[in-house]
Amino acid sequence: AQSVTQLDSQVPVFEEAPVELRCNYSSSVSVYLFWYVQYPNQGLQLLLKYLSGSTLVKGINGFEAEFNKSQTSFHLRKPSVHISDTAEYFCAVRYQGGKLIFGQGTELSVKP
Amino acid sequence: DAGVIQSPRHEVTEMGQEVTLRCKPISGHDYLFWYRQTMMRGLELLIYFNNNVPIDDSGMPEDRFSAKMPNASFSTLKIQPSEPRDSAVYFCASRLTSGDADTQYFGPGTRLTVL
Repeated sequence: AQSVTQLDSQVPVFEEAPVELRCNYSSSVSVYLFWYVQYPNQGLQLLLKYLSGSTLVKGINGFEAEFNKSQTSFHLRKPSVHISDTAEYFCAVRYQGGKLIFGQGTELSVKP
Repeated sequence: DAGVIQSPRHEVTEMGQEVTLRCKPISGHDYLFWYRQTMMRGLELLIYFNNNVPIDDSGMPEDRFSAKMPNASFSTLKIQPSEPRDSAVYFCASRLTSGDADTQYFGPGTRLTVL
């Protein structure tokens, strides 16, 4: 079955520290990979996506992610977080047919 | 563009009542998705349409749920009768087949509370 696993449900971190949010997916075929962010009481917004090409993808707000096919992972990183990065982050995979399968989400909490 | 528009933003109703959620996708987008978000189950895809035709409704929980897309600019998700376990935030999203084909644009959501 197709699935996306976000390994951490909550990640507390201090402001200006680096952060990594982990995502693994199950697939034996090519996939498209995404990270979305959800700020409180809002819908989801696209942070970045991997479709093909370079395995290091840069997105908005200083975030980047690396696609690792052998490890079926797509971890999200930021070298220095801000208070405003506090939000829930969702990893998603698009398989054939157009459906997105979302992970359970990781709540990033940035403390001063 | 105004983005994906959903109404109402909040809905409180009593068990047994009919609830209708509305969505206006971004103009020109040919895919429309309905999701439900709860603490217990996370973000679940309920149904999606392509060119107003339902493609996959395998995520619709039961016959109490129905969705329609009468034209390219409007979709509804109806729950009849509603139950307390339907309480959730319901999101609508849309995307294009071509161009920026892989980005789904989400609406702000409708927070449904069934008492």
